[in-house]
Amino acid sequence: DAGVIQSPRHEVTEMGQEVTLRCKPISGHDYLFWYRQTMMRGLELLIYFNNNVPIDDSGMPEDRFSAKMPNASFSTLKIQPSEPRDSAVYFCASSRTGGDNQPQHFGDGTRLSIL
Amino acid sequence: AQSVTQLGSHVSVSEGALVLLRCNYSSSVPPYLFWYVQYPNQGLQLLLKYTSAATLVKGINGFEAEFKKSETSFHLTKPSAHMSDAAEYFCAVSTPTGANNLFFGTGTRLTVIP
Repeated sequence: DAGVIQSPRHEVTEMGQEVTLRCKPISGHDYLFWYRQTMMRGLELLIYFNNNVPIDDSGMPEDRFSAKMPNASFSTLKIQPSEPRDSAVYFCASSRTGGDNQPQHFGDGTRLSIL
Repeated sequence: AQSVTQLGSHVSVSEGALVLLRCNYSSSVPPYLFWYVQYPNQGLQLLLKYTSAATLVKGINGFEAEFKKSETSFHLTKPSAHMSDAAEYFCAVSTPTGANNLFFGTGTRLTVIP
């Protein structure tokens, strides 16, 4: 089975530009998570969805960040306008309903560099 | 609230030596506990999980972890380190809320010395 697929794997762009990160969760998984990983702050949960509905976005750092899940097989994380401090690796993960013992499955991440 | 603390951000062991990565959790209810491994330029992969069925949990790649309620610990061990074990390891906790939400530790980077 295909795992969680993220695109692009790498993104380099200039400050002020709009950035869109994409994620395709594992088929049949109804939870989707977006994380950000940096050396300074480690792994941070930004937002998660259940059945395409945002449940908790308290980790989204600013209004510049937004996430959508228009259907069960696709989600986007958008940064507009981007800033150098947004440089990080962004991970998407998915899991299935079945209690909190269901593990999350991670994609390989998008390495974002804002110049 | 739940959280995990990983003692030691960096651990170095010689090839063939015992690997011990420490994780202590904080939870007001019985937790579910996980260990994940991250290799360079990759996402996190599940090593093993504890879900109250057995206190000693065996995972992939020869790793295992023991849940000790009295010590609120879930340390990860492997009897003999391989070079391929060099990676970053994350402990995580969740609790029965129906939210499938994980709380990760800050990670431990394991270096294996030939």
